[in-house]
Amino acid sequence: QKEVEQNSGPLSVPEGAIASLNCTYSDRGSQSFFWYRQYSGKSPELIMFIYSNGDKEDGRFTAQLNKASQYVSLLIRDSQPSDSATYLCAFRTNAGKSTFGDGTTLTVKP
Amino acid sequence: KAGVTQTPRYLIKTRGQQVTLSCSPISGHRSVSWYQQTPGQGLQFLFEYFSETQRNKGNFPGRFSGRQFSNSRSEMNVSTLELGDSALYLCASSLDPFSGRAPYEQYFGPGTRLTVT
Repeated sequence: QKEVEQNSGPLSVPEGAIASLNCTYSDRGSQSFFWYRQYSGKSPELIMFIYSNGDKEDGRFTAQLNKASQYVSLLIRDSQPSDSATYLCAFRTNAGKSTFGDGTTLTVKP
Repeated sequence: KAGVTQTPRYLIKTRGQQVTLSCSPISGHRSVSWYQQTPGQGLQFLFEYFSETQRNKGNFPGRFSGRQFSNSRSEMNVSTLELGDSALYLCASSLDPFSGRAPYEQYFGPGTRLTVT
């Protein structure tokens, strides 16, 4: 079993729709969870982090964490073509180890 | 505040050579992590340095090594380059990931694109 599983892509949504990105992890020692956005040819950009169960909202982005189910998700409301990118989920354990998922490619169609 | 900087941005080397990449973290950040990103393997963790000490290491051969200086700047070295080492090498800095206070977010530099021919 991979340490981090992201929903397989690519994911395509129309402009203005909600994009839902999901990630499951296997290491119960995971303490912090992150979502990065990576445009083609660029480095990952941190867009959200969460470490407590529940929801965390920042503008059009909402991260949801359920440690019991070992599940973290990212919702993008009112999706824009500029949101088209690869989204990486990542977590960090108590021991300081960071692991990244393979990413989900999102395309927002005008 | 300036972001993470990496030099050089692009590099072409031949098999068997060695290469040194440099990373300067965000001012005040004491941890630097290195990652290799390839289309087939995704983002793979190489190692992490904090206060000049290697704190974590990924599953890479000994040809990959690194160090951190007292000003938190870090270098990564790859010896005896192989074709498979062609990748985007990213460094990321964080404030103090061992403070016991989450969330320990990391910020990435622009990366060094290494091509081995």
